[in-house]
Amino acid sequence: NAGVTQTPKFQVLKTGQSMTLQCAQDMNHEYMSWYRQDPGMGLRLIHYSVGAGITDQGEVPNGYNVSRSTTEDFPLRLLSAAPSQTSVYFCASSYRGGRSTDTQYFGPGTRLTVL
Amino acid sequence: DAKTTQPNSMESNEEEPVHLPCNHSTISGTDYIHWYRQLPSQGPEYVIHGLTSNVNNRMASLAIAEDRKSSTLILHRATLRDAAVYYCILDGSSNTGKLIFGQGTTLQVKP
Repeated sequence: NAGVTQTPKFQVLKTGQSMTLQCAQDMNHEYMSWYRQDPGMGLRLIHYSVGAGITDQGEVPNGYNVSRSTTEDFPLRLLSAAPSQTSVYFCASSYRGGRSTDTQYFGPGTRLTVL
Repeated sequence: DAKTTQPNSMESNEEEPVHLPCNHSTISGTDYIHWYRQLPSQGPEYVIHGLTSNVNNRMASLAIAEDRKSSTLILHRATLRDAAVYYCILDGSSNTGKLIFGQGTTLQVKP
């Protein structure tokens, strides 16, 4: 299994541009989520999905959209990039989510810079 | 969501045991205690979790206080590869699978 994969690894955007961060998992996990990590900080939850067709907001959802049309993929869209969205973005998945014993698997991250 | 408190940083010598503390005085009866770690420039990885009893796995041990208001992650023999940020996390009480990360403890391992 490749686990959780994220593309691209690095991205530089100009203010106002839009883009989509890709996340895929091949473990047949129902739960997927997106976090952002600012320098020296812990991770903060942006959006999450408990299954295909179901998404919900996390702690910091503003400026981001998600959709979950398949079990495998959970893309994160930046609608109009702002310098405050400069961060490292991590995607995670777990078998069911919603169960306290589930282990979450994280991708390697996408480092985004917005100029 | 219940909060955790961890020291900002700790140091250890290679091949010595390391005890990483975590306080969670407002933990609810159904909250599991999870530990994740984040190696430099990588995503977090799962270390261990428990509810009430002490737990052991190939990576570490988790000692949970009897009143569950604190726990300790134990690395039995630290290696240079164990240098990372360690996060103590209580599973979201809303059962949505959300993990609430604090700032964690940065562990330095000296050769």
